[in-house]
Amino acid sequence: EPEVTQTPSHQVTQMGQEVILRCVPISNHLYFYWYRQILGQKVEFLVSFYNNEISEKSEIFDDQFSVERPDGSNFTLKIRSTKLEDSAMYFCASSPLTGAFNQPQHFGDGTRLSIL
Amino acid sequence: GESVGLHLPTLSVQEGDNSIINCAYSNSASDYFIWYKQESGKGPQFIIDIRSNMDKRQGQRVTVLLNKTVKHLSLQIAATQPGDSAVYFCAEKVNGYGNKLVFGAGTILRVKS
Repeated sequence: EPEVTQTPSHQVTQMGQEVILRCVPISNHLYFYWYRQILGQKVEFLVSFYNNEISEKSEIFDDQFSVERPDGSNFTLKIRSTKLEDSAMYFCASSPLTGAFNQPQHFGDGTRLSIL
Repeated sequence: GESVGLHLPTLSVQEGDNSIINCAYSNSASDYFIWYKQESGKGPQFIIDIRSNMDKRQGQRVTVLLNKTVKHLSLQIAATQPGDSAVYFCAEKVNGYGNKLVFGAGTILRVKS
């Protein structure tokens, strides 16, 4: 069964450094997402991406965050200058369609980001 | 300051019994709902979904019930197995607000052998 894959599984970074989290969505999916889960808290939406542009973002997704689809398979989340409070599990998800044709979002196993 | 983690409700069931996990959702404009299972160290795994024009949907060993009047969603797992032990989340999508999912706090399911 096709799945969303994320790398690395664990990233340790010094505060203030840039970090890039990588995802390979399911190949025929059109909609891509990033969510995060701070330890012991709910899964929170960050951003959705469709047709090579951001379609929606949350208040968490400030100027320090950016997303990119650099080629036909990868989808990345960049944090420009990491803060301690960015420590969390970051999940990538993808879905085939949107709008009236509601489709489930399928999640990867996440990248654990630890900021020191 | 120190962040306070969620105190998740826990449901303990005996292997072979049926489990019912409940979720109260927040927005009457939500039109699509998903149940996810999350095992330790893994991402949310899709279990079953339901659209707001339905009140019941069945899968393999699982049933989702939707009561829009009281904004309540439940997941029923038949013949619960040890492998069902995990945290279960409901998630809602609000009509007209793009595709983002809003997750509930989760329920821990523990299956006793």
